[in-house]
Amino acid sequence: DTAVSQTPKYLVTQMGNDKSIKCEQNLGHDTMYWYKQDSKKFLKIMFSYNNKELIINETVPNRFSPKSPDKAHLNLHINSLELGDSAVYFCASSLRGLLADTQYFGPGTRLTVL
Amino acid sequence: DQQVKQNSPSLSVQEGRISILNCDYTNSMFDYFLWYKKYPAEGPTFLISISSIKDKNEDGRFTVFLNKSAKHLSLHIVPSQPGDSAVYFCAAASDAGKSTFGDGTTLTVKP
Repeated sequence: DTAVSQTPKYLVTQMGNDKSIKCEQNLGHDTMYWYKQDSKKFLKIMFSYNNKELIINETVPNRFSPKSPDKAHLNLHINSLELGDSAVYFCASSLRGLLADTQYFGPGTRLTVL
Repeated sequence: DQQVKQNSPSLSVQEGRISILNCDYTNSMFDYFLWYKKYPAEGPTFLISISSIKDKNEDGRFTVFLNKSAKHLSLHIVPSQPGDSAVYFCAAASDAGKSTFGDGTTLTVKP
């Protein structure tokens, strides 16, 4: 019974397309995140939502738009995909988003832009 | 600006010996530090953490040491087991829910 799930696991698409990645958590957590792991292996936070409200928005192109229909879901929509968007995207959740709260990660979505 | 650095991209250790993974940070505002472990094709999983008011936290075979004056933390695994082979990320947090990750160290434990 997966705690944090993401779909799809792999996504290959052409430059200029629009795509979405879905994330769901069944842990009852209030806070969800999106991270990007680039070719240098850094995990960089992109967005964080707490109870459907945006609380962290790092310097991310506005082609990336997160959407949280409810606190169990945080989807990531990407417009006009570029080569540099190729990366592994991880969704995560934590109980309240507090400093010491453990983050639980999904398995990742490997996005390849051709 | 890389605020959290793991200077060793890889580490190889014999089974039964100690593994020591290091992490340095630059931001003195970080209050909480975490280690995550990641297997291939999976997301990171939480391993152990330490608050800035402590200098050591132990959980079974895993111990994290924090040296605030040197802005350095380390993860000790004793004894190392082949199942410990994974990528280890250290992370530091200063704001609620926001963690800054290092770029990982790949640990290989040889039988």
